Amino acid sequence: NAGVTQTPKFQVLKTGQSMTLQCAQDMNHNSMYWYRQDPGMGLRLIYYSASEGTTDKGEVPNGYNVSRLNKREFSLRLESAAPSQTSVYFCASSEFFRETQYFGPGTRLLVL
Amino acid sequence: AQTVTQSQPEMSVQEAETVTLSCTYDTSESDYYLFWYKQPPSRQMILVIRQEAYKQQNATENRFSVNFQKAAKSFSLKISDSQLGDAAMYFCAYSGGGADGLTFGKGTHLIIQP
Repeated sequence: NAGVTQTPKFQVLKTGQSMTLQCAQDMNHNSMYWYRQDPGMGLRLIYYSASEGTTDKGEVPNGYNVSRLNKREFSLRLESAAPSQTSVYFCASSEFFRETQYFGPGTRLLVL
Repeated sequence: AQTVTQSQPEMSVQEAETVTLSCTYDTSESDYYLFWYKQPPSRQMILVIRQEAYKQQNATENRFSVNFQKAAKSFSLKISDSQLGDAAMYFCAYSGGGADGLTFGKGTHLIIQP
């Protein structure tokens, strides 16, 4: 089992460009999450999907959109990247909400 | 909204010694979960230990144990017989009654001195 996978591992964007971060899990988990991690900070929740077919905003959703494509996949889209979105992005999944979350390896994003 | 506070930005301990990392949280809920995650330089987030609030017994996982004080809203992590591989950032996290993910503290950087 690969667990939670994320692509790409690293990306450089120019201000105003768009991109989609991909996340997939093979643990048959119901809930999936996107977090961002900035220097000196813990992880902050961007969006989550408690179950297939539902998505909700987290603490810092501005500038992002998400799609729960199916039970396995949960993507995060930046429509018009800004330097403030330079961060490390983590995807996570759990069997149900409140259960232990398992994290992907992260995507480092640099917006110039 | 829940908050999680880790008051020690950095801790240092000698190899083989014991170290305790502090975490306090604020919540009005009575049923919740608490976690400690480890983040080594590889950046991977690794679960260390988990505690359900309804359980009075403190969780243990090998050299890792917690001191969960529900009334004081305190959740400290004790690492016994510290090893070089324990060097990492440690994050305390809270999961409440809703589906809205984890609330993290800002982390404690643990240094292991050989």
